[in-house]
Amino acid sequence: AQTVTQSQPEMSVQEAETVTLSCTYDTSESNYYLFWYKQPPSRQMILVIRQEAYKQQNATENRFSVNFQKAAKSFSLKISDSQLGDTAMYFCAFMKHVANSKLTFGKGITLSVRP
Amino acid sequence: EAGVAQSPRYKIIEKRQSVAFWCNPISGHATLYWYQQILGQGPKLLIQFQNNGVVDDSQLPKDRFSAERLKGVDSTLKIQPAKLEDSAVYLCASSPQGLAGGVSYNEQFFGPGTRLTVL
Repeated sequence: AQTVTQSQPEMSVQEAETVTLSCTYDTSESNYYLFWYKQPPSRQMILVIRQEAYKQQNATENRFSVNFQKAAKSFSLKISDSQLGDTAMYFCAFMKHVANSKLTFGKGITLSVRP
Repeated sequence: EAGVAQSPRYKIIEKRQSVAFWCNPISGHATLYWYQQILGQGPKLLIQFQNNGVVDDSQLPKDRFSAERLKGVDSTLKIQPAKLEDSAVYLCASSPQGLAGGVSYNEQFFGPGTRLTVL
């Protein structure tokens, strides 16, 4: 079974600054996907970024980038130039490299962006 | 393209009562998921459908929870009787059919969820 651990319950960052959210996972799978999801107060779960485990290059989506360390089973999210709209819960999630596999989520971290 | 629809958005019931949630996935999406998100935790899969067949219901408390997906489109999740610990947000998600060969990535699209409070 897979587990995803997010040990920081909450973080705060000043607008325009950079923040890094941590995530570790455990699996015996050799190939898989990792995700960061954003869940604002509206509860709509939104995909932020995806990383495929067989790709060594870290994924990047505009202001969002990841640091994927496969050997250490670590997957952190860096948010650059933080904006007020980034205030939300962020979940790290794991998925096997199988079609229509389920997502296994961590507990999440509450990120607050201060004006 | 319309997203995943869920209703109701909020529901408050007394313990031992029954409740039902409805989900309409994105048109054409063959796979439908129900997740339970307890306050302070990440979502946990309750049941997964592929068309109208069940793929995974290992985490579904079958003594009180039931789900169906008639005609492979809409789905209903029912709780009967409800317990205090069932208070949570129930999220529905859908994804397209996997490609032939079984190895592919299909993004899951989530609905807005139903917040259930059991008193």
